[in-house]
Amino acid sequence: EIVLTQSPATLSLSPGERATLSCRASHDVHGYIAWYQQRPGQAPRLLIWDASNRATGIPAKFSGSWSGTDFTLTISSLEPEDFAVYYCQQRSDWPLTFGGGTKVE
Amino acid sequence: EVQLLESGGGLVQPGGSLRLSCTVSGLTFSDHAMSWVRQAPGKGLEWVSTLSVGTYYADSVQGRFIISRDNSKSTLHLQMNSLRGEDTGLYFCAQMGSAWGGWFNNWGPGTLVTVSS
Repeated sequence: EIVLTQSPATLSLSPGERATLSCRASHDVHGYIAWYQQRPGQAPRLLIWDASNRATGIPAKFSGSWSGTDFTLTISSLEPEDFAVYYCQQRSDWPLTFGGGTKVE
Repeated sequence: EVQLLESGGGLVQPGGSLRLSCTVSGLTFSDHAMSWVRQAPGKGLEWVSTLSVGTYYADSVQGRFIISRDNSKSTLHLQMNSLRGEDTGLYFCAQMGSAWGGWFNNWGPGTLVTVSS
């Protein structure tokens, strides 16, 4: 099973600041990582797919990058609605797995 | 607009069964793989099962849960048997990008399953 380790668990920032979230895979996932945002009381929403592609309707302030087994989600300038929990997920192999999440507060 | 809506959750005793359903609109249902993802209270996301060109289950539910679909009704099901306390959580259905799989493009709001005596 591919384990995804997200860091930090909590990121304390202010509106307007830049957020950098990390996700490390235990094995090569060939870039097959997605990022999801989950606001309180809501279902997750796909933000980034295949490590660096924004999903439909996702603003340009969200960007993804990767190197080897290290993946990064960057939010360029935080707005109030961006304070949420973010999960990475891999589809390189079964079982599909999620990281433990990073809460941006 | 793609919409997914789960139903069938509720309170069930350990060892009991429950059948979840997810109705989908706004796309050609048969063109997409479908999945179930769950979230225990206050915890992270856990993939449960995917029905694509093959059928896949998490080890934690293998042999107890059965995923199925009715393309004529644009509906996904999850038959859950031999339920345990650790199965408690919010169950989301998710539409994937293609018939063979992909990402979780769209999600329903979830249905709550509580396993308790």
